[in-house]
Amino acid sequence: QQPVQSPQAVILREGEDAVINCSSSKALYSVHWYRQKHGEAPVFLMILLKGGEQKGHEKISASFNEKKQQSSLYLTASQLSYSGTYFCGTEDNYGQNFVFGPGTRLSVLP
Amino acid sequence: GAGVSQSPSNKVTEKGKDVELRCDPISGHTALYWYRQSLGQGLEFLIYFQGNSAPDKSGLPSDRFSAERTGGSVSTLTIQRTQQEDSAVYLCASSLDTGLSYEQYFGPGTRLTVT
Repeated sequence: QQPVQSPQAVILREGEDAVINCSSSKALYSVHWYRQKHGEAPVFLMILLKGGEQKGHEKISASFNEKKQQSSLYLTASQLSYSGTYFCGTEDNYGQNFVFGPGTRLSVLP
Repeated sequence: GAGVSQSPSNKVTEKGKDVELRCDPISGHTALYWYRQSLGQGLEFLIYFQGNSAPDKSGLPSDRFSAERTGGSVSTLTIQRTQQEDSAVYLCASSLDTGLSYEQYFGPGTRLTVT
């Protein structure tokens, strides 16, 4: 079952922060985050495993709350290069059934 | 090293014709995924391979779609009797293994247009 992402779209000014949420009705083992720029293939950002860990990548970090079956991606001090569509992908508790969410379109304006 | 490659990059075909899309994964990657992405839409899972076998074919839209993988490497996605609704970008990805902590590396995609 496809996870739900919110918001569907967000517009920011350079330097502003954003949070993108990904939630599932099923127990999750891991959550993956990818970014896709217009006309390009998706690119891996990070994977979070069951255990409620938090990871960071430059000014982009994420958390995974397995009890709530939810992950959040945090973008701080956004840059123009952050623009794109962010997809979360989830695996269920058996490490299978990988499925992407519908995506969140992020636009960073100067 | 070389990334995931796909061919052709663009394919225009007439309705009713068959097409074959090819994916060359990263060497050593045992898992291979096919996705379809319509204009402005998300990533629709089609099928994945673990080695040469396909444990999950649930995403294939109809029996006109089939895929195979040989030698644990190259994969071909075949669409028979193409329809206009098959027009989309077909993306292939590979990873060291399925699931858990393995990231997927995507190819550039094949843009299929059915006229």
